[in-house]
Amino acid sequence: DTGVSQDPRHKITKRGQNVTFRCDPISEHNRLYWYRQTLGQGPEFLTYFQNEAQLEKSRLLSDRFSAERPKGSFSTLEIQRTEQGDSAMYLCASSSSTGNTDTQYFGPGTRLTVL
Amino acid sequence: AQSVTQPDIHITVSEGASLELRCNYSYGATPYLFWYVQSPGQGLQLLLKYFSGDTLVQGIKGFEAEFKRSQSSFNLRKPSVHWSDAAEYFCAVGAGFGNEKLTFGTGTRLTIIP
Repeated sequence: DTGVSQDPRHKITKRGQNVTFRCDPISEHNRLYWYRQTLGQGPEFLTYFQNEAQLEKSRLLSDRFSAERPKGSFSTLEIQRTEQGDSAMYLCASSSSTGNTDTQYFGPGTRLTVL
Repeated sequence: AQSVTQPDIHITVSEGASLELRCNYSYGATPYLFWYVQSPGQGLQLLLKYFSGDTLVQGIKGFEAEFKRSQSSFNLRKPSVHWSDAAEYFCAVGAGFGNEKLTFGTGTRLTIIP
């Protein structure tokens, strides 16, 4: 069990640029979640996948944000035309829907700074 | 919709002293409750969880939490803190079976003094 991994760990970009983050879940987990955490706040839910299907999206996920999980394994989160308000830590988590103890395990996060 | 309140933004405790971090939740059904810890610049590590059964749950690193339905609370406790416990602690509630999304509180920052 290698845990949830995220890449890159840090990203600095200029306003208006596009960025893409990657998340690799724990290998046997079929659910994958994205959260955003701003300074001094708890994580806020963005979206989640079960296998390759995106089942729920938060209102926080504007049309500049898109997430994919094409083969039900890794996922990408893309932000187009970044704004300074997008600066945050983006956290990925994964879990297994089997049984009744669906516990989410988090990756180390990608810290985005928009200049 | 569910919500979580962590009323203490920052707590300072002496090393070796006992600790209690407060968490109150709002949810219409039986909640799934979690405590996570976050060290600076790191992701979230699960300390413990409550799904059903015994209302006193044990977690890692000597932490425990008690679910009190009548008070809508899930407070985290540790009898004797260590300097390495300094971190940010988050309480979270899940929506139900599968808890497809977690709703987190704003966190409590724990400082340990020698």
